[in-house]
Amino acid sequence: EDKVVQSPLSLVVHEGDTVTLNCSYEVTNFRSLLWYKQEKKAPTFLFMLTSSGIEKKSGRLSSILDKKELFSILNITATQTGDSAIYLCAVNSGGSNYKLTFGKGTLLTVNP
Amino acid sequence: NAGVTQTPKFQVLKTGQSMTLQCAQDMNHEYMSWYRQDPGMGLRLIHYSVGAGITDQGEVPNGYNVSRSTTEDFPLRLLSAAPSQTSVYFCASSPGTGSISTQYFGPGTRLTVL
Repeated sequence: EDKVVQSPLSLVVHEGDTVTLNCSYEVTNFRSLLWYKQEKKAPTFLFMLTSSGIEKKSGRLSSILDKKELFSILNITATQTGDSAIYLCAVNSGGSNYKLTFGKGTLLTVNP
Repeated sequence: NAGVTQTPKFQVLKTGQSMTLQCAQDMNHEYMSWYRQDPGMGLRLIHYSVGAGITDQGEVPNGYNVSRSTTEDFPLRLLSAAPSQTSVYFCASSPGTGSISTQYFGPGTRLTVL
């Protein structure tokens, strides 16, 4: 059974801090790993990673994948209160091109 | 371009009642899916479809039916609601050109079963 584990499950930081969120996976036939941000409503897409060692970057957010060690990290630098959200990691794997397995998410709270 | 829309936003059912959650997208996406999200559980895939007329089961399909008669619509039917189906339901779509890519999520339906 495919497994995606995120850590920590929750995190409280102060504005300006840098945070690292972790996602490890055990899946058959890995295809891609995706990161989402979920505020009050629907998840919104952040990054899709398919190759090891290539950093994806968007503003203060960046992510990298290690396919040998089976994990990904999501970094957020100079955090702001608007970064408070649940961050979800999902992996596309297995016999289907279309099924995603999600982790339980990391709840990030950024205090002023 | 409305993206992915879901109706209703909120619903309260009694145990044993049936209902259909509606999902529509106007992006001509091949792939559509339904997830449920429970506290501390992340998102779990219920059913998905890779095109009109084609559906398949996800991780937690029991108690739910789907059909895909058009590219745009992908309704989720609860046959006989149970309290364990109390959850937030998200519909998502993706261009699906050969494999999963960016998924666009609808705003969600919060369902309570009493």
